[in-house]
Amino acid sequence: ETGVTQTPRHLVMGMTNKKSLKCEQHLGHNAMYWYKQSAKKPLELMFVYSLEERVENNSVPSRFSPECPNSSHLFLHLHTLQPEDSALYLCASSQASDQETQYFGPGTRLLVL
Amino acid sequence: GQQLNQSPQSMFIQEGEDVSMNCTSSSIFNTWLWYKQDPGEGPVLLIALYKAGELTSNGRLTAQFGITRKDSFLNISASIPSDVGIYFCAGTSGLSYKLIFGSGTRLLVRP
Repeated sequence: ETGVTQTPRHLVMGMTNKKSLKCEQHLGHNAMYWYKQSAKKPLELMFVYSLEERVENNSVPSRFSPECPNSSHLFLHLHTLQPEDSALYLCASSQASDQETQYFGPGTRLLVL
Repeated sequence: GQQLNQSPQSMFIQEGEDVSMNCTSSSIFNTWLWYKQDPGEGPVLLIALYKAGELTSNGRLTAQFGITRKDSFLNISASIPSDVGIYFCAGTSGLSYKLIFGSGTRLLVRP
């Protein structure tokens, strides 16, 4: 595997379900990010982890819970989501010393019913 | 919050034509990046610019960091069908490392 991978690529869940999105980077980076991409809106930064510590929580509702167990893996735990949370969730990584230059995964397309 | 104004919103061009799109901001940016997103995929970094006035090429793509530091443009020469996608500008401003994204330019190429 190369670059940034995300699983699953597609997810359909009910509002009472609990699910997790996974991201893995194979670039030797030490900063990772979660973004939300909704139709006709710019990418929204959700969370930032640098050197395995959360350094940014962009006013994200608590029904989204990130986890970064090591510098190569990032999770987004989802519970009691709302239909308006349906979107493409993108993971990205970078060097902590060069956080402007980010590399994205393919995303997880989430549909909340 | 800060915003980037990206234009045009969409373009429908003939194969072989050159394309130009740009991003502007009301505040000074320290870096400008251009990404392309294919349907069902994440954005792919095309070009990164770090200095005012910098002009950088990547194959048929050329991007410039405006000398006012408030704008950037991306040119694509001799477009081909695989250029189809959404092009995003992004940048950082002030002391923040957070990337701010434009709303994208959707490019369609007629063979």
